[in-house]
Amino acid sequence: ETGVTQSPTHLIKTRGQQVTLRCSSQSGHNTVSWYQQALGQGPQFIFQYYREEENGRGNFPPRFSGLQFPNYSSELNVNALELDDSALYLCASEYRGIYGYTFGSGTRLTVV
Amino acid sequence: KNEVEQSPQNLTAQEGEFITINCSYSVGISALHWLQQHPGGGIVSLFMLSSGKKKHGRLIATINIQEKHSSLHITASHPRDSAVYICAVRYHNTDKLIFGTGTRLQVFP
Repeated sequence: ETGVTQSPTHLIKTRGQQVTLRCSSQSGHNTVSWYQQALGQGPQFIFQYYREEENGRGNFPPRFSGLQFPNYSSELNVNALELDDSALYLCASEYRGIYGYTFGSGTRLTVV
Repeated sequence: KNEVEQSPQNLTAQEGEFITINCSYSVGISALHWLQQHPGGGIVSLFMLSSGKKKHGRLIATINIQEKHSSLHITASHPRDSAVYICAVRYHNTDKLIFGTGTRLQVFP
């Protein structure tokens, strides 16, 4: 399987709710990173998972959490949603040691 | 000050013009990416560079490690090149990417 698939493509949630975003990485890619892109800005690093363990985290609060599964899929969970969480969420995967990220098309989250 | 600076922020061109987008970064890197983002969000990786120059079709990317600077060139630009072009760097000893804020390119027929 090639490419990185994210779901859903669009999502609307209410402030205070919880959301789970999903990413299906390219087969064999053992490293997945999640990024948040606010409107008009460049993507910001949220965290990275390598072989199912968190391997680096950006400046995001603990209510942003993640999981990576053995089948090369991963999740981003956000609890207690805030209006400022409205953004495009991107996942990117690669095989560690062989540089070359493949990006998903993103999930656009709107918090109202 | 952003660790990765791109210029210009916005660029308008007529079809056929030669386009240059610049990217500067502050410390040593292991790789630099040029990415294309269309409305709707999806990101496509155009190039990954650690030295020299790469060419793919009408796109050319160059990097000068000593000057900490990279350029993306588009020859014979076309309206379908209209997109946001983003530079992202991977610093030594880290796997995360640091992104520039992007250059919005519009090419008119």
